[in-house]
Amino acid sequence: AQSVTQLGSHVSVSEGALVLLRCNYSSSVPPYLFWYVQYPNQGLQLLLKYTSAATLVKGINGFEAEFKKSETSFHLTKPSAHMSDAAEYFCEGNTPLVFGKGTRLSVIA
Amino acid sequence: NAGVTQTPKFRVLKTGQSMTLLCAQDMNHEYMYWYRQDPGMGLRLIHYSVGEGTTAKGEVPDGYNVSRLKKQNFLLGLESAAPSQTSVYFCASSSEGPAGANVLTFGAGSRLTVL
Repeated sequence: AQSVTQLGSHVSVSEGALVLLRCNYSSSVPPYLFWYVQYPNQGLQLLLKYTSAATLVKGINGFEAEFKKSETSFHLTKPSAHMSDAAEYFCEGNTPLVFGKGTRLSVIA
Repeated sequence: NAGVTQTPKFRVLKTGQSMTLLCAQDMNHEYMYWYRQDPGMGLRLIHYSVGEGTTAKGEVPDGYNVSRLKKQNFLLGLESAAPSQTSVYFCASSSEGPAGANVLTFGAGSRLTVL
């Protein structure tokens, strides 16, 4: 069964700085991978998904993620953080529906 | 377009009481899921359903029961609530199955406190 590991339960960046949230997966077969965002007191929303069509996936709100099979990684990035990006981010692999433990992103003015 | 609706949003129970959380979706999705979210634990799958009349156990099914009598509804029941079941519960649905590129649509959550 696949598992996903998010490195860092809390990441803090300055407004305008690069955002990098890490996710590694373990699987014997090419996975489907997703990033979701959860704003305070809300459910999760899809940011982007990898379905093997392209290794660089662009999502909403300027986020993107690159699938690297050699590193078994699917890290989430955004070139310039905005205050509104403060939220919790979850990486998910769908075999079987496994979520990482989440990374809370804080953005400092 | 309501998406996934969870009721109630908040509930406080005493140990040993029972209750049912209702999840309703209006997207004609075949697949529905119940997760619980606890600090530092991420989301853990309790039960899921691959279609009307079917249910399956997830990662943490003990103490919970589910039913999917209608395609649009997925009920999560606690027969005898315990303090360890204090959590935020999320329902989700998808059009594709667990082995596919299924995008989950989530409800807003139900916060349950067991005293």
